[in-house]
Amino acid sequence: NAGVTQTPKFQVLKTGQSMTLQCAQDMNHEYMSWYRQDPGMGLRLIHYSVGAGITDQGEVPNGYNVSRSTTEDFPLRLLSAAPSQTSVYFCASSYSDWTDTQYFGPGTRLTVL
Amino acid sequence: KQEVTQIPAALSVPEGENLVLNCSFTDSAIYNLQWFRQDPGKGLTSLLLIQSSQREQTSGRLNASLDKSSGRSTLYIAASQPGDSATYLCALAGGTSYGKLTFGQGTILTVHP
Repeated sequence: NAGVTQTPKFQVLKTGQSMTLQCAQDMNHEYMSWYRQDPGMGLRLIHYSVGAGITDQGEVPNGYNVSRSTTEDFPLRLLSAAPSQTSVYFCASSYSDWTDTQYFGPGTRLTVL
Repeated sequence: KQEVTQIPAALSVPEGENLVLNCSFTDSAIYNLQWFRQDPGKGLTSLLLIQSSQREQTSGRLNASLDKSSGRSTLYIAASQPGDSATYLCALAGGTSYGKLTFGQGTILTVHP
């Protein structure tokens, strides 16, 4: 099993650009989520999904969009990048919901200029 | 709102020492608590998950305890090794925080030879 994979590992954007961060898991997990990690702020939930076709907002959803068309994939879209979105983004998955053991991807380091 | 505090923020010990990392939380209505390890530039790896009905969990040299009534959890690492150097985070799946984990800020552990 590859576990949770994320691409790209690093990305630099200009303000106003859009992009999609990819996340995939091969463990047939129902629950998937996106966190951002910032110094002094810890990890904060952006969006999550409890199964294909079902998504919901976390703590800091503004400026981000998600969809879950398959069990395996959970992409995160930045609609119009802002410097405040400079962060490290982690995707995580678990068997059924947020109370299960979470498996994290390696992260994407995003810089918005 | 659940608040999670980890003390100390950083800890440096010589190899071979037994050590304790602390995690405190304000809302005892939790499903479970997870301890994670994060190496620099990497994702999070789940170490132990304690259900709210449990008092402790053990994995190798690691032992995690949970006292809901006092809002505290500890991670005990026996016979520390330089390879244990990492950031350790605790995270709670709380009854009032649907869909997400609430993370502490982490303790940066350095074990020197």
